[in-house]
Amino acid sequence: GAGVSQSPRYKVAKRGQDVALRCDPISGHVSLFWYQQALGQGPEFLTYFQNEAQLDKSGLPSDRFFAERPEGSVSTLKIQRTQQEDSAVYLCASSLGEVETQYFGPGTRLLVL
Amino acid sequence: GESVGLHLPTLSVQEGDNSIINCAYSNSASDYFIWYKQESGKGPQFIIDIRSNMDKRQGQRVTVLLNKTVKHLSLQIAATQPGDSAVYFCAENLASFGNQFYFGTGTSLTVIP
Repeated sequence: GAGVSQSPRYKVAKRGQDVALRCDPISGHVSLFWYQQALGQGPEFLTYFQNEAQLDKSGLPSDRFFAERPEGSVSTLKIQRTQQEDSAVYLCASSLGEVETQYFGPGTRLLVL
Repeated sequence: GESVGLHLPTLSVQEGDNSIINCAYSNSASDYFIWYKQESGKGPQFIIDIRSNMDKRQGQRVTVLLNKTVKHLSLQIAATQPGDSAVYFCAENLASFGNQFYFGTGTSLTVIP
C-alpha cells in the first residue's frame, strides 16, 4: 500500500506570506504527527492528532502555526506570516494507534526568504 | 525536557564490516525506542524498534540492544553495505509525556567501498 505522502515537496515563501502544507497518512492510521526538522538536527515534535482530535499541540512554536485534520485522515499544517526562522523540513508521520511505530512521509522543505 | 543523545556524530566503516551506532537516553521511564534511517532528501525510515521489557531484538542484518541499567541503546548493522550510508536517529517515547517521540541529533554513517 501507499505510504505517507506530503505536498508540496518544496515551498519557497516570502517573509510574511501564509503557507499550507498537506499530509496524506497511511490509510487506516488513527494517529498523525507533525514534526519540524532543522538542518543537521533530528525531528522535533509539533503536534499530534488522534482521528480528527488534536490531542497535543505543545510543540507548536507560536500561534502562527495551526494544524487541522477535520475528517480524521488528511491533515494540513498552516503557517501564517512566515518568518525566516520557519525555514525547515516539515515531516508528517502516521501510526496505526497510540505509541506505535510511526511511518514518515518525505517531508516538505520550506524556505522563507 | 528529556534528552536523547548520540555518542558520535559521524562514523565511517569499510564495506562488509559491522557497524555499531550508540545512543544514550536520560529518562528511565522511557519504554519504547525506534531506530530510524534518513537518507538525504527523504523522511526517516523505520529500521527496528524495541520496548523496555526486552534487551535485544534482531531484524534483517540489524540488531538493537537496550541496556536499561545505563540507559543506553545501540544499533548494530552486520556486513555494512554502501546503501547503509545515511543518518541514523534513535527516537524515544516517554509514555507519560504523550505519544510523540524525542529524537537525538543523529549519527552520520559513511560506508567506504
